Amino acid sequence: QKEVEQNSGPLSVPEGAIASLNCTYSDRGSQSFFWYRQYSGKSPELIMFIYSNGDKEDGRFTAQLNKASQYVSLLIRDSQPSDSATYLCAPIGGVGKLIFGQGTTLQVKP
Amino acid sequence: DAGVIQSPRHEVTEMGQEVTLRCKPISGHDYLFWYRQTMMRGLELLIYFNNNVPIDDSGMPEDRFSAKMPNASFSTLKIQPSEPRDSAVYFCASSSRTGQAFYGYTFGSGTRLTVV
Repeated sequence: QKEVEQNSGPLSVPEGAIASLNCTYSDRGSQSFFWYRQYSGKSPELIMFIYSNGDKEDGRFTAQLNKASQYVSLLIRDSQPSDSATYLCAPIGGVGKLIFGQGTTLQVKP
Repeated sequence: DAGVIQSPRHEVTEMGQEVTLRCKPISGHDYLFWYRQTMMRGLELLIYFNNNVPIDDSGMPEDRFSAKMPNASFSTLKIQPSEPRDSAVYFCASSSRTGQAFYGYTFGSGTRLTVV
């Protein structure tokens, strides 16, 4: 089993819709969870992090964490074409090691 | 803050040659990570340092790869000899820690390595 699993996509949504990106992880010791966005040819950019079970909202982005189910998700409301990118999930273990999933490619169509 | 600085941005080299990639982390960050990204394998952690000391190098693919961090502001990743399958984008990232909380994890712009 991979440490971090994401559906590679592509996930295609129309402009203005909600995009839902999902991630499961195997290390129950993972304490924090980061979501990165990576545009083609660019480096990953941190967009959200979540430490506690439940929801965390930041603008159009909402991260959801369920440690019991080892599941974390990212919702993007009112999706825009500029949101088209690859989204990477990364849990952090107690030693600070950041391991990435394969990433989900999101396409927002005008 | 200039962010994480990597050099060179692009490197093209012939098989068998030595390649050295460089990274300057964000000042004050005490963790430094080297990643490699390919289409097939995604973003792989190669090695990471804490306070200049290598903590986990289990991701280093072979003995041809080595990494050093002689001080808090500089790290190198060396490949000797290089092979075509080493072609990838290599990223450096840095972060800091306060208690149990980790911060930062800022990436550099990456080095695109092509071995011909």
